[in-house]
Amino acid sequence: DVKVTQSSRYLVKRTGEKVFLECVQDMDHENMFWYRQDPGLGLRLIYFSYDVKMKEKGDIPEGYSVSREKKERFSLILESASTNQTSMYLCASSSLASQYYEQYFGPGTRLTVT
Amino acid sequence: AQKVTQAQTEISVVEKEDVTLDCVYETRDTTYYLFWYKQPPSGELVFLIRRNSFDEQNEISGRYSWNFQKSTSSFNFTITASQVVDSAVYFCALITGSSNTGKLIFGQGTTLQVKP
Repeated sequence: DVKVTQSSRYLVKRTGEKVFLECVQDMDHENMFWYRQDPGLGLRLIYFSYDVKMKEKGDIPEGYSVSREKKERFSLILESASTNQTSMYLCASSSLASQYYEQYFGPGTRLTVT
Repeated sequence: AQKVTQAQTEISVVEKEDVTLDCVYETRDTTYYLFWYKQPPSGELVFLIRRNSFDEQNEISGRYSWNFQKSTSSFNFTITASQVVDSAVYFCALITGSSNTGKLIFGQGTTLQVKP
């Protein structure tokens, strides 16, 4: 079974703090994704990566950066957390070898910025 | 442009009722894949089904069934004899064959509440 894990289920941070959200997958997938989920807005793509050290902006990259130093790990960084970044963050991975590109998701991190 | 629309924001039914979740998609590609995911209260999105654009056969899996109609660009999901455990947010998603990054386009989600 594909397993995608995220470092924390719940996180509370203060405005201005630097926040790291970690995601690890164990299936040697090339693609990894970070989404945020907000009520009424569905899932919005923040960044994705299709290879080590490669990254591309998604639909809402402002205020975020990412790092992919190893194939299995994809980190989302909030350089200076703000209250409007309070949200559910979901990580996913997929394989280019799969013609369907279905994504496998982690359990999510619910981040609160106070 | 590619887009997925789930017009139903919230649906509430009583246990054992049948319920259909609507999904309408837009794409100009002739090759594409459609997905349904379930997100229970625990938060993790669970993959339910995929369908490619060349296969319009409907599919049934237990109480779940999916109706794919290219003529109306719809990929609707029906739960028969709903149960409380079906309460979740359901997402429809699209990826086109021209994508080389596996980027999924999600609908806004439909929250289903099944009351006992």
